[in-house]
Amino acid sequence: ETGVTQTPRHLVMGMTNKKSLKCEQHLGHNAMYWYKQSAKKPLELMFVYSLEERVENNSVPSRFSPECPNSSHLFLHLHTLQPEDSALYLCASSTGQGKHNEQFFGPGTRLTVL
Amino acid sequence: KQEVTQIPAALSVPEGENLVLNCSFTDSAIYNLQWFRQDPGKGLTSLLLIQSSQREQTSGRLNASLDKSSGRSTLYIAASQPGDSATYLCAVRDSGAGSYQLTFGKGTKLSVIP
Repeated sequence: ETGVTQTPRHLVMGMTNKKSLKCEQHLGHNAMYWYKQSAKKPLELMFVYSLEERVENNSVPSRFSPECPNSSHLFLHLHTLQPEDSALYLCASSTGQGKHNEQFFGPGTRLTVL
Repeated sequence: KQEVTQIPAALSVPEGENLVLNCSFTDSAIYNLQWFRQDPGKGLTSLLLIQSSQREQTSGRLNASLDKSSGRSTLYIAASQPGDSATYLCAVRDSGAGSYQLTFGKGTKLSVIP
């Protein structure tokens, strides 16, 4: 148990659906991250929030919309996804804005887009 | 652009053997390097974090080394056990632009045979 939780753990959705992924960290961290892990590809950073402000957005399509209402919660809103968006979506958190700080990961949400 | 390579992609060893996993990166301007373990369908568990000023870190049966100038890191696992079976991921945090970016390798899938 890393102190980072994600819900749901599994999600199946159609291309016209709207759903949200939730991440919560209980570590007192103030930076949170969304990563995408596709089969046979390295983890890809999607978004970074530090002190509730988005500080990085790695050219992610607009059908993925992040939200960070406070330092403990991070959401990823999904709409009109494509089958190639099927992947494991991982949330992580770290302390402060320091570049040396270790990231702690949640268990992930396995997303399948039909 | 930083690239991280892990060799081998898969490794199968009998229980009790000592083994070495390799990680190489193309840009030596890094803040730190982190080794993770990922069980099938699960999130990442941080194993060891080596800052750029350090040469190695140890935790139990695990020892990670870092040679920043040559762009290499190794993860040594002593007296391997079936419970060590997992995918091991290496990630580097660049000191350049995108200070939150962790660049991951594709991982080495380890199987320890009882």
